[in-house]
Amino acid sequence: TQLLEQSPQFLSIQEGENLTVYCNSSSVFSSLQWYRQEPGEGPVLLVTVVTGGEVKKLKRLTFQFGDARKDSSLHITAAQPGDTGLYLCAGARNQGGKLIFGQGTELSVKP
Amino acid sequence: KAGVTQTPRYLIKTRGQQVTLSCSPISGHRSVSWYQQTPGQGLQFLFEYFSETQRNKGNFPGRFSGRQFSNSRSEMNVSTLELGDSALYLCASSLVEGNTEAFFGQGTRLTVV
Repeated sequence: TQLLEQSPQFLSIQEGENLTVYCNSSSVFSSLQWYRQEPGEGPVLLVTVVTGGEVKKLKRLTFQFGDARKDSSLHITAAQPGDTGLYLCAGARNQGGKLIFGQGTELSVKP
Repeated sequence: KAGVTQTPRYLIKTRGQQVTLSCSPISGHRSVSWYQQTPGQGLQFLFEYFSETQRNKGNFPGRFSGRQFSNSRSEMNVSTLELGDSALYLCASSLVEGNTEAFFGQGTRLTVV
């Protein structure tokens, strides 16, 4: 059973387009992290959201945590080829340091 | 400061052998977690160590084990390797126990033939 469902699984867009990635669950999380991973490398932490309804911005990336702390979204404005990679959401449920990962969204931005 | 260091980066082993992977966390970080990443299952939690004690364990067979040393460095061991153990093994370090803001190493790519 996948506790965190990410959609879409694959996304191929042109440079300059906007996109949104979703991370949904029926479970409540105490916090949620977003990571970006490039081939052959480990995931790199982008942001952590903790409070329901919280919105964080990182340059062209906007992250939102749902009011009920069950879902999150990542919006990228004016995507660039450098944004290409695997985007992973990961939730924590007050079980120590254990993170539950979504399956990931493979993003390809073409010039 | 230096990030999380995992060694070796690549490893090829034969079915039935055992393997030990190493992880050095970020300086000052005391919690180390291990994850297995495969195309089919994604990232799955193996275990978490803090103060040389296993604090949390995922749903993996007993062939997977680990330990942490007094300097916070950690090793994981997989015995009696199976083809399905082929994966990217990732180590993540956190400042304290239960801190879910994790920083990952580059991983060890294990191939079992």
